[in-house]
Amino acid sequence: NAGVTQTPKFRVLKTGQSMTLLCAQDMNHEYMYWYRQDPGMGLRLIHYSVGEGTTAKGEVPDGYNVSRLKKQNFLLGLESAAPSQTSVYFCASSYSYTQYFGPGTRLTVT
Amino acid sequence: GENVEQHPSTLSVQEGDSAVIKCTYSDSASNYFPWYKQELGKRPQLIIDIRSNVGEKKDQRIAVTLNKTAKHFSLHITETQPEDSAVYFCAAPETPGANSKLTFGKGITLSVRP
Repeated sequence: NAGVTQTPKFRVLKTGQSMTLLCAQDMNHEYMYWYRQDPGMGLRLIHYSVGEGTTAKGEVPDGYNVSRLKKQNFLLGLESAAPSQTSVYFCASSYSYTQYFGPGTRLTVT
Repeated sequence: GENVEQHPSTLSVQEGDSAVIKCTYSDSASNYFPWYKQELGKRPQLIIDIRSNVGEKKDQRIAVTLNKTAKHFSLHITETQPEDSAVYFCAAPETPGANSKLTFGKGITLSVRP
């Protein structure tokens, strides 16, 4: 039982490049979330999903897209990376209120 | 939607002392209040939670108390140890009800001085 996993762990992008972050969970959770964490800003919700095939915007969705084609996977895409998207990205999943977080992806955009 | 606030942003205590971290929320209908701990470079993890029908919950050296009238809940850590040094996040449901997404506070950095 791996819980929630994220790939990659680290990534450096140049401005304007695109990439996809993958989140996978093996707990059969319906809800999945993408957060970004910046110093002094806490955890800010980017997008979330309440089940396979559904997505919804969170607090800071601009510049990001998501897809939930399979229940166990939640993908976060950056179409044209900007330096303001330099951050640590956490994925989480939940069955009830308790959220289980992945190990995070540290993204730097230069 | 729910508004969750934590103050102050940092707290420093001497090893062995107690630490109390307070969180306020805005929606009086909120019914679930968790605390997450994030060690440096690690993921946030749930350490304790409380539901609105309970006033206090304990788990070894940590406890959470809830004051529904004042709309705040607090994390209490007794006999602090260096491994308690971390960022602590409180949260509350965006809307009451199971599977509601959580609104997190900005976090408090606790430092335990040896």
